[in-house]
Amino acid sequence: QSVLTQPPSVSGAPGQRVTISCTGSSSNIGAGYDVYWYQQLPGTAPKLLISVNSNRPSGVPDRFSGSKSGTSASLAITGLQTEDEADYYCQSYDSSLSSVIFGGGTKLTVL
Amino acid sequence: EVQLVESGGGLVQPGRSLRLSCAASGFTFDAYAMHWVRQAPGKGLEWVSGISWKSSHIGYADSVKGRFTISRDNAKNSLYLQMNSLRAEDTALYYCAKDNYLTPTMVDYWGQGTLVTVSS
Repeated sequence: QSVLTQPPSVSGAPGQRVTISCTGSSSNIGAGYDVYWYQQLPGTAPKLLISVNSNRPSGVPDRFSGSKSGTSASLAITGLQTEDEADYYCQSYDSSLSSVIFGGGTKLTVL
Repeated sequence: EVQLVESGGGLVQPGRSLRLSCAASGFTFDAYAMHWVRQAPGKGLEWVSGISWKSSHIGYADSVKGRFTISRDNAKNSLYLQMNSLRAEDTALYYCAKDNYLTPTMVDYWGQGTLVTVSS
């Protein structure tokens, strides 16, 4: 069981907007540690999607956005495209565990 | 271009040891923390271990603490993971990953992974 909780799956039709939540606690997100999001396309290595809660690395479309509030964070994807179908992971740091932590991952299906 | 190339994976019996290596290029290796992250077949990402730029700060997941040892050789631009007392549950694709900070914080680049299979 992951320290950061994500829904196992979300889905949406092309063009729609979906959000993926990442719920932590007072020892990680709530303690002020930054949240990062990764996209893993089928059969490939993960790729950094959102850095420091809401920053998009160069090359990431502005359809992807991140936010953080309290002990949670969210990834929003607008204008869904079929190529967005992937697994998405949130990541932060936990002071109680003294370790980097990942969410359990969310599988996005584009209907 | 950042490149991270893992090696050393393979089939190993439970209780035995294996050493993974990661050759890094395309960036100033000794200026960043590094990580090992694994992914069991069909499962999610699990952080295994991280090491700071000068090896002064090292962390491990509880699942591998006492069995795995991370190290780096900045002169050789290389990262290592010594894995002892391997268990079936250690079977996974092991990714070498680069941080964007001096101490273990996040990952901005990933290798392609090396597969470790623990089985008799």
